[in-house]
Amino acid sequence: EVQLVESGGGLVQPGRSLRLSCEASGFIFGDNDMHWVRQRPGEGLEWVSGVSWDGSKTGYGDSVKGRFTISRDNAKNALFLQMDSLRPEDTAFYFCVRGQSKVFVSWGQGILVTVSS
Amino acid sequence: IQLTQSPSFLSASVGDTVTISCRASQGISYYLAWYQQKPGKAPKLVFDAASPLQRGVPSRFSGRGSGTEFTLTITSLQPEDFASYYCQQHSIYPVTFGPGTTVEIK
Repeated sequence: EVQLVESGGGLVQPGRSLRLSCEASGFIFGDNDMHWVRQRPGEGLEWVSGVSWDGSKTGYGDSVKGRFTISRDNAKNALFLQMDSLRPEDTAFYFCVRGQSKVFVSWGQGILVTVSS
Repeated sequence: IQLTQSPSFLSASVGDTVTISCRASQGISYYLAWYQQKPGKAPKLVFDAASPLQRGVPSRFSGRGSGTEFTLTITSLQPEDFASYYCQQHSIYPVTFGPGTTVEIK
């Protein structure tokens, strides 16, 4: 069974940093592209970032480009999202997502990040 | 690429057949997927036009379309189908989602 478990969320002040982690199991992690997708409370879905299976290629949504950094450790079956210069509008549930290329086939349960003073 | 969905809300009864539409601002061939999301839960892939056979998805979910116009049809609605549905284009980065359609119980 595919499992994606996010951690590292919480309350943070504007301008500060936070690092999300995702522990993957139940599939060959190194065979899949991985992504982060977020959802502001009561709103729709927004792709945040993606990384290729080997970590060589990364992509970012316009709203986080230059502030967020995605990375992965295939030896540890882990995905990360370093979030810097956080803004109140970054408040959202963040989902770790397994991709078949850019199709999101498995999702974590999500973790809440709240940016507020 | 911007995606629009219609309707935004839909009221239906168990056993009904419903169709949700998604329109892309430019052609995306068949690179369009649909996700179901229930309150408080993560989304779930229910149809991908580029790979129509999704393991574990009931056959009452079907999709059609290519280019800019797409539909998701749910035949004989079941109680567990009442949820929000989002389309997503996976033709080019950044991938984008539609604003969603909520299917409510009439």
